[in-house]
Amino acid sequence: SQQGEEDPQALSIQEGENATMNCSYKTSINNLQWYRQNSGRGLVHLILIRSNEREKHSGRLRVTLDTSKKSSSLLITASRAADTASYFCATPLTGTASKLTFGTGTRLQVTL
Amino acid sequence: DAGITQSPRHKVTETGTPVTLRCHQTENHRYMYWYRQDPGHGLRLIHYSYGVKDTDKGEVSDGYSVSRSKTEDFLLTLESATSSQTSVYFCAISDYSGRSGANVLTFGAGSRLTVL
Repeated sequence: SQQGEEDPQALSIQEGENATMNCSYKTSINNLQWYRQNSGRGLVHLILIRSNEREKHSGRLRVTLDTSKKSSSLLITASRAADTASYFCATPLTGTASKLTFGTGTRLQVTL
Repeated sequence: DAGITQSPRHKVTETGTPVTLRCHQTENHRYMYWYRQDPGHGLRLIHYSYGVKDTDKGEVSDGYSVSRSKTEDFLLTLESATSSQTSVYFCAISDYSGRSGANVLTFGAGSRLTVL
């Protein structure tokens, strides 16, 4: 069964605004990843945060992890039209880090 | 998608016919995966491989088989395709070693399969 669940399912913002999407998961994890998928393409790894980290930055991306609430958030600052994509969180399946399970994704639309 | 290619990229077939999707990598990565992506379900793991001739089931393996006779190739076979197997199939690779505890996947471009 899927471990992660993203919220909201869809998000529409204007260029320059910040976009925040959330991921909740069910069982304890040692890391959580975020991936982006442009329409008609494969997923691309964005950022990984480990269970002993609370926040991580990469360019315009900021990821937080709250293990007590079993949730993570991805913030994209100063969004651009090129950020239009679906975003997925991914976590290891319980007991086996070699398998990743993905949520259903947040579809982000950034308009000019 | 550099280093990982999927073929065919698009296929239309009829119910009951066998179908084989191929994933080829040039990265010499140990792990290879097959996922399917459907609206409302996200990505679901079908099968994966952790070495030549070493494979294991994922969460939606019924109706699928896999083979890995070489490090670079991972084949997904639908022995008798059904309409419920209409989907987009993604192959992924990883050099996960277990030491770092993190498994980062690199995905192919996907294979869109339609079963009529």
